[in-house]
Amino acid sequence: GQQLNQSPQSMFIQEGEDVSMNCTSSSIFNTWLWYKQDPGEGPVLLIALYKAGELTSNGRLTAQFGITRKDSFLNISASIPSDVGIYFCAGQGQGAQKLVFGQGTRLTINP
Amino acid sequence: KAGVTQTPRYLIKTRGQQVTLSCSPISGHRSVSWYQQTPGQGLQFLFEYFSETQRNKGNFPGRFSGRQFSNSRSEMNVSTLELGDSALYLCASSLEQGSGQFFGPGTRLTVL
Repeated sequence: GQQLNQSPQSMFIQEGEDVSMNCTSSSIFNTWLWYKQDPGEGPVLLIALYKAGELTSNGRLTAQFGITRKDSFLNISASIPSDVGIYFCAGQGQGAQKLVFGQGTRLTINP
Repeated sequence: KAGVTQTPRYLIKTRGQQVTLSCSPISGHRSVSWYQQTPGQGLQFLFEYFSETQRNKGNFPGRFSGRQFSNSRSEMNVSTLELGDSALYLCASSLEQGSGQFFGPGTRLTVL
């Protein structure tokens, strides 16, 4: 099935470091969403972006909707142990409820 | 507000059987979408229901079906189960089309 190209696939960082991940697509999306998933749980919505160029923050998280509408990035500043998990980007086209997901970025924090 | 709830959380079935999964959306949300998550294929869209009507459908065989009730609760059914149907099945609800989707904890289906 269709998927977004999300990178990196995994990250190993030290506590306190900043993190950056991104998603690209060959298709235009009207909405970009970022989710975090912990083992055995469903994805939790972190940030929703609805307009090209939009930059939105949620605490230590910042995400941007690319101006071309084909990409988005997520930054996490000053990482803490509870940031560990898998982060997914998802795109949504106009007039469609279907979300297209990236492959995920697995974040591991070394103590 | 209570989140999206899914039942059961875990299910073990054998090949050839059928299964029904249930999802209760966030109160006031009328759109319910279903996704399948596997290690190999990631998160894949199954279908979406709004006001008891299927609005969108993903690329899954006809063995996968769903429905939505007047109270927005939704069920999905998989008939003639195959080993490859083993997955985490996730339900997501949203207020309206294009708004953020909120996921439930999922139902872990194992087919033996």
